[in-house]
Amino acid sequence: ILNVEQSPQSLHVQEGDSTNFTCSFPSSNFYALHWYRWETAKSPEALFVMTLNGDEKKKGRISATLNTKEGYSYLYIKGSQPEDSATYLCALFILTGGGNKLTFGTGTQLKVEL
Amino acid sequence: ETGVTQTPRHLVMGMTNKKSLKCEQHLGHNAMYWYKQSAKKPLELMFVYSLEERVENNSVPSRFSPECPNSSHLFLHLHTLQPEDSALYLCASSQEPGLAEGDTQYFGPGTRLTVL
Repeated sequence: ILNVEQSPQSLHVQEGDSTNFTCSFPSSNFYALHWYRWETAKSPEALFVMTLNGDEKKKGRISATLNTKEGYSYLYIKGSQPEDSATYLCALFILTGGGNKLTFGTGTQLKVEL
Repeated sequence: ETGVTQTPRHLVMGMTNKKSLKCEQHLGHNAMYWYKQSAKKPLELMFVYSLEERVENNSVPSRFSPECPNSSHLFLHLHTLQPEDSALYLCASSQEPGLAEGDTQYFGPGTRLTVL
């Protein structure tokens, strides 16, 4: 069983705080890691696809880094705003004979308070 | 919005009922997926369709029966479900017939299913 672990499970921060959370995965046979943002009652939306060790990607105030040798990725949010409140999911791309797929972590639930 | 719609958004059914969940994608994608999310668990892949053919069935009980009549539509037919099947069911689609490593999945908002 392939485990994709995310920590912390939940996080409460104040508006303006910067925050980060972690996605850990097995480092062998790495192909790609996906980050998604999922607001309550909406569809999960893709943030980043990361494929190379040392990758750093940025979208506005959100950025992500990747370390494939040690098997982790960090997601950073700078100057959190209430609209950043959501669950952030990471997913590991798995290559299988039966069809490629994404294996998801349980997510980090972020609440940004005024 | 992501271009993937699901109906209904909420469904309550008894254990003897038969119902269907519908998913439609307006993105011209070639692969579609059903996921299940139970409380405090990660998204679990149930079925994968590529070019309208089923390519993955993750040991899902036969009381769940998928159907993909064309590349834009995906159904999940439900019959004689159990209360433990209550969950959020998400549909997704992706561009390539076989999911490539850099290929993003686009998700619908899900159907919240309650089995009484």
